[in-house]
This record gives sequence, structure tokens and C-alpha cells, in this order.
Amino acid sequence: DARVTQTPRDKVTEMGQEVTMRCQPILGHNTVFWYRQTMMQGLELLAYFRNRAPLDDSGMPKDRFSAEMPDATLATLKIQPSEPRDSAVYFCASGPGLAGGHEQFFGPGTRLTVL
Amino acid sequence: QQQVKQSPQSLIVQKGGISIINCAYENTAFDYFPWYQQFPGKGPALLIAIRPDVSEKKEGRFTISFNKSAKQFSLHIMDSQPGDSATYFCAASMIGNYGQNFVFGPGTRLSVLP
Repeated sequence: DARVTQTPRDKVTEMGQEVTMRCQPILGHNTVFWYRQTMMQGLELLAYFRNRAPLDDSGMPKDRFSAEMPDATLATLKIQPSEPRDSAVYFCASGPGLAGGHEQFFGPGTRLTVL
Repeated sequence: QQQVKQSPQSLIVQKGGISIINCAYENTAFDYFPWYQQFPGKGPALLIAIRPDVSEKKEGRFTISFNKSAKQFSLHIMDSQPGDSATYFCAASMIGNYGQNFVFGPGTRLSVLP
């Protein structure tokens, strides 16, 4: 049963602390997306990788957010330092790319609360 | 120009009724229009999608209607069931730029009453 996995599922931290969220894309998918979901802003695309290379991270606050793919089975999103306004659900999604269709498969999300 | 507008924000329908959610876009370069369904505590999941070369696509009780000239598309859920209660997102993208310029609407919270 191929699915995107994310850890942790829930994270509560204090302002100023570093937060790292991890994502394991579906095996064989070459595209990975990071989204942030809030009631006010809805789903916002933060970053997009293809073949582990960042193609678009224009939606991400550069001063505190960073996204990487150290290998094909792991994507990370890091916030340092975290702020209360970062509280949201962060989703990772992966896709097979142009050759395999256009669908994005979402993980279950990481609910982040910054106090 | 990158926005996708979606209405209504919330919708309450009786069991067996028809649920209709509307979306509109501005960027004529968009050529892929998916609908995602999200249940509480879960990630969005693709429900149905359409390309602009057809005006309608049906999968079971779910139908997308597409009006290219008006730059509008809508989701119709026939015979709505309580299990359809979820948040629905329309989205738009460009096939050639897979993943990039992928824009979601703000979502519609659907409640189907038993």
C-alpha cells in the first residue's frame, strides 16, 4: 500500500525553537511538494522539488524556512526559529511527474503548534 | 491572475440532494483542473480531474462541468450522502509545468445531513 508518510504527526513547541518535519514520498515518485494549510490562508504551496532539486520555493519565508531532499526517500522542512504564526498543518505530497500523470498524493500532515 | 476563486465557502445539503461547488480562474494557460476531497485529520485526496478539451467528466456520482469561455468549472455531487461530508478544493495547474503554478481554491466545507 504505497502512501506518503510524514513525521511527526503532531508537534507542540515553544517560540524560538527549531522544528524539523520529515516526509517519505511514495517510492518511484520524482516530485515532492510541501504545503501549509491554515483556516485563513487555505492550502499554500511552500516548495516543490523535482528529482531532489528545488524548483520553486517562492512560497516559503526564506529567513526561517528551509526545505531539502537529502535523498530520494526523504524530504525535510525546517523552521528555525519558529514563531506562533507558523502554527498550521504542513502537508507533504509526492507525484510521479509528467510521465506518470499529474496527480499529487498527500501525506497525513504534521500539525504544528508554536506557543 | 494566479488565483482560483471558489464558492460557496460552506454548503449544507440533505441526503439524496445535489451538491454544487463552483470555481473560477483567470489564467488561460491553466489546462488541468482537479478536485480534491479532504476529510478531517487527513490530507487532500484527488477526487476527479478534467482537461479543458472536454466540457464534462463523470465518475460515479461526481461530475465536473467545465466552461472554457467563462473560465469556470464546477463539481456536482449527485445523490449526496453523509459520507460525502468533507472539505472540497478545486485547483488549477499547467500540465507542461507539472507541479509549478499549482493553485488551490480556498475550499468548500460540505455537510450532508442524514
